[in-house]
Amino acid sequence: AQSVSQHNHHVILSEAASLELGCNYSYGGTVNLFWYVQYPGQHLQLLLKYFSGDPLVKGIKGFEAEFIKSKFSFNLRKPSVQWSDTAEYFCAVNAPSGANNLFFGTGTRLTVIP
Amino acid sequence: GAGVSQSPSNKVTEKGKDVELRCDPISGHTALYWYRQSLGQGLEFLIYFQGNSAPDKSGLPSDRFSAERTGGSVSTLTIQRTQQEDSAVYLCASRQDRGGNEQFFGPGTRLTVL
Repeated sequence: AQSVSQHNHHVILSEAASLELGCNYSYGGTVNLFWYVQYPGQHLQLLLKYFSGDPLVKGIKGFEAEFIKSKFSFNLRKPSVQWSDTAEYFCAVNAPSGANNLFFGTGTRLTVIP
Repeated sequence: GAGVSQSPSNKVTEKGKDVELRCDPISGHTALYWYRQSLGQGLEFLIYFQGNSAPDKSGLPSDRFSAERTGGSVSTLTIQRTQQEDSAVYLCASRQDRGGNEQFFGPGTRLTVL
């Protein structure tokens, strides 16, 4: 079975600090990888995704993530966070066959202090 | 509509009562998913519908949970004889079958079982 680990439960940063949120997954086959974000009071929305090709993917709002197959990782990064990045971030994986349901990590709450 | 909608947004019920949660997917999306987000946990897959095929019910936690999708569009998740541990946010997502594997999420229904 697939599983996703997000080791950072709550991260607190000052504005302009750099961000890296860890995500590791457990699955032996080909996977699709996602980062979703949930801003306070809003629904989940896609930040970025990786299906194939360049392992460094860029998403909205200056976020990027790097797929490292050998490490089963898909860490999320942003060089300079803003107060508006305060949100909960979820890493997710699915296998590109069958139900395609997503397996989510438990989420990382990011608080950015102005 | 422009996005996935869910109703009600909040539901408070007494233990032992049945509840129905509704999801309207994005028009034209053939795949529909239900997830559950419990406090402090990631999203947990419940059930998957794809077109007119038999649903994938592998994520349903007990036989008190059921779901249907009428006409390949609107879906209803029913929880019978609710228990306090059913309290969670129930999220619906839809996916366009062709191209991309992105799931678009609704705002969720927050269920509280007293």
